[in-house]
Amino acid sequence: SAVISQKPSRDICQRGTSLTIQCQVDSQVTMMFWYRQQPGQSLTLIATANQGSEATYESGFVIDKFPISRPNLTFSTLTVSNMSPEDSSIYLCSVGANPYGELFFGEGSRLTVL
Amino acid sequence: DQQVKQNSPSLSVQEGRISILNCDYTNSMFDYFLWYKKYPAEGPTFLISISSIKDKNEDGRFTVFLNKSAKHLSLHIVPSQPGDSAVYFCAASAHLSGSARQLTFGSGTQLTVLP
Repeated sequence: SAVISQKPSRDICQRGTSLTIQCQVDSQVTMMFWYRQQPGQSLTLIATANQGSEATYESGFVIDKFPISRPNLTFSTLTVSNMSPEDSSIYLCSVGANPYGELFFGEGSRLTVL
Repeated sequence: DQQVKQNSPSLSVQEGRISILNCDYTNSMFDYFLWYKKYPAEGPTFLISISSIKDKNEDGRFTVFLNKSAKHLSLHIVPSQPGDSAVYFCAASAHLSGSARQLTFGSGTQLTVLP
């Protein structure tokens, strides 16, 4: 198993500002995944962060809005830029548990944008 | 286009009875299915999974059934306990290329087990 810590656990932000979410894993992993869960919706993959290369973004998500850093094998950050109320969501960091897609998740970062 | 659908946003059952959570999918490339449980203010945790080559997988009180022809899977919890009250997400995995896989989630079902 993997223990994943996220910071902040929650925050209230003003429109137009940016916030960086940190994700720390207790073991070295090749790929880290960032998900978003909008209210009442499913978990949607934002991007896959590989150490030493640019993140791979899913359709509908762009680097300018969600820049990601992956400086080493245990840490990643996701920034939500120029926030609007539509960005109010839970943002989750995850790592793979097995080749079939099972994931370990962090506790999530709940962002509210006013 | 929702490839994984959980049509019931909520379900209430009495303690001790069976809870049945349903999930439908449309993509025939999915070959591995998972259920996650999520408590408030926590991340989802893996519960149980099933490969497409099987039609049933059991783990204690939890059983997942897969009907490939109907593209339907269900999670049975028996007997249900108040601690099972949580949001349950169905997820389906498909092989992309190399070792890469894509996981697609349903929108979740809030299960409430009444004492």
